[in-house]
Parts: sequence; C-alpha cells; structure tokens
Amino acid sequence: NAGVTQTPKFQVLKTGQSMTLQCAQDMNHNSMYWYRQDPGMGLRLIYYSASEGTTDKGEVPNGYNVSRLNKREFSLRLESAAPSQTSVYFCAGRQGETQYFGPGTRLLVL
Amino acid sequence: QKEVEQNSGPLSVPEGAIASLNCTYSDRGSQSFFWYRQYSGKSPELIMSIYSNGDKEDGRFTAQLNKASQYVSLLIRDSQPSDSATYLCAVVNAGGTSYGKLTFGQGTILTVHP
Repeated sequence: NAGVTQTPKFQVLKTGQSMTLQCAQDMNHNSMYWYRQDPGMGLRLIYYSASEGTTDKGEVPNGYNVSRLNKREFSLRLESAAPSQTSVYFCAGRQGETQYFGPGTRLLVL
Repeated sequence: QKEVEQNSGPLSVPEGAIASLNCTYSDRGSQSFFWYRQYSGKSPELIMSIYSNGDKEDGRFTAQLNKASQYVSLLIRDSQPSDSATYLCAVVNAGGTSYGKLTFGQGTILTVHP
C-alpha cells in the first residue's frame, strides 16, 4: 500500500516547455486534489476531482489542465511553463474528512 | 483579508514548554477544521481535526475551536525538538458542493530548542 505517489520528484523546465505531473493512489479515494505550495503562502488548490470523470477549478487554475484518467490517477499538465509556475506541487486523495498527500514534485521553470 | 490566517512566526519555545498556535478564518459557515504538520522538505500530514466548539485532546496535542470568534488553535504540551516543523491550519468552507476542498493558512514555523 503505497498511498499517494507522484512522479517526477524534481523537474527543471525552460519557459514555454510542457510537462505532465503524474499522481496515483491505491487507497480507493473518490476525491483527488492538486495543490501548489510557495514560500509564505501555504498550499493553494489548483484543481480537484470529486469523482472519476469530473474535474473542477480551484483557487489558482490558470496555466494548468488536469485529467482524471481513472479512479487511481489524476494528472496535472502545464502546456507552456512560466517562471511563475516554479513551485512545489502536491497531489492529495481524500478519505472521509482526511486528505492524504503525496511526496510532492519540485518544479523549477527557468 | 485572507480566508485563513496564521501568524507565520517563527515561534520558538524551549523543550518541555507549551507551544500555542493560532488560526482565524473568515467564512462563518465553515464546519471542519484541521491541523497539518509539515517537516521541511516533506508533505503535510494530518495531526488533528475538530468539528465542534470546545477542546479536543489527542496525546500531547489539543485543538480548540471557537466558532463565534472564528478562531481555532493548537496546543502542544511538553514540546519536543521533534515537534519543530511548520503547522498548517486548514478549513473546509461551507457549501454543499465543497467536496472537502481545503483552504490553508500560510503556516506557522515552530522551533523547539533544547
């Protein structure tokens, strides 16, 4: 039981490049979330998926897209990376009232 | 005004003391409140949840909620150096379609020195 896993752990991109952050969970969560964390700003919700096949915008969705491929997987895509998207990205799954977080992806956009 | 506010600290306490972490929130209809601990370079982990006014104790941790004042706090008794971390307050806002969406404060850095 790995919980919530994320790949890659670290990535460097050049401005304008695209990439997809992967998230998978084996805890049978219905709801999954993508957050970004910047210094002094806590975690901010980018997108969430209440259930398989549905996705909705969070607080800071601009510049991102998501796909809930199946119940296990929820990916986050940056189509054209910008330096402002340099951050640590966390995926989470929800069981009851508790959210379980993955280990995070550190993204640097040059 | 931020929806969830915390004093970013750093808060420094000696080993064995009580650490008091505070959080205020703006949505009066909020029903669910959480404290997450985040060690440097790691992901947040849930340590306490509270849903009704009053105190909730779990080992050395006590969460306190006052909905009238829109205030939630976390007390850590007998603080240990291993408690040194960032503590994040999180709130589920009111609304039937919230789907458990958490709004986080900016976090309070706690340092417990020997």
